[in-house]
Amino acid sequence: NAGVTQTPKFRVLKTGQSMTLLCAQDMNHEYMYWYRQDPGMGLRLIHYSVGEGTTAKGEVPDGYNVSRLKKQNFLLGLESAAPSQTSVYFCASSTLVPGQSGLDGYTFGSGTRLTVV
Amino acid sequence: QQPVQSPQAVILREGEDAVINCSSSKALYSVHWYRQKHGEAPVFLMILLKGGEQKGHEKISASFNEKKQQSSLYLTASQLSYSGTYFCGTDGNAGNMLTFGGGTRLMVKP
Repeated sequence: NAGVTQTPKFRVLKTGQSMTLLCAQDMNHEYMYWYRQDPGMGLRLIHYSVGEGTTAKGEVPDGYNVSRLKKQNFLLGLESAAPSQTSVYFCASSTLVPGQSGLDGYTFGSGTRLTVV
Repeated sequence: QQPVQSPQAVILREGEDAVINCSSSKALYSVHWYRQKHGEAPVFLMILLKGGEQKGHEKISASFNEKKQQSSLYLTASQLSYSGTYFCGTDGNAGNMLTFGGGTRLMVKP
């Protein structure tokens, strides 16, 4: 099925460990995003990309890095995990021009639940 | 700045109607609405662009008042399947970078 695939689905890290979350989309979308979701706080943008080879900071970028070497993949890295990074991470993708076809919104992956102990 | 959603939670009986509001402190280009069921990813419902249009999707419709920087989601004759958390996402400059509200938890009971 076409869509956004995130791996892994669950992960437990110890403080100070590093890891990479992978997001892959097969819809040829230009824009890709990483959000974190915490209870009562909605979705907050970490980093985003407007095309292959580009990345930019969102609302809460500290402690994270990203890369978009291929158009279909968007990687989120945690260099030194902290308990404050315990969250559910969602990747999403969208087309370049919002609303042009009337159908365009974000397509989200199923999420990665990360616990840092 | 995060848009403000109201109410934070609502409980309905099947067949009742509900309105969820989304208010921003800045000018808006577009507003998105999403529904998220527990433990799942948010699912896109509809997008409203600058111009005050109203859209419908089955028994769920929405309006966008760009002057007031507000959008409302209308759920009519609610069904059990409507239960979940509804999020609005706002874009202020047509860059398609959404800022999401804190969500409105909707529970529909038989």
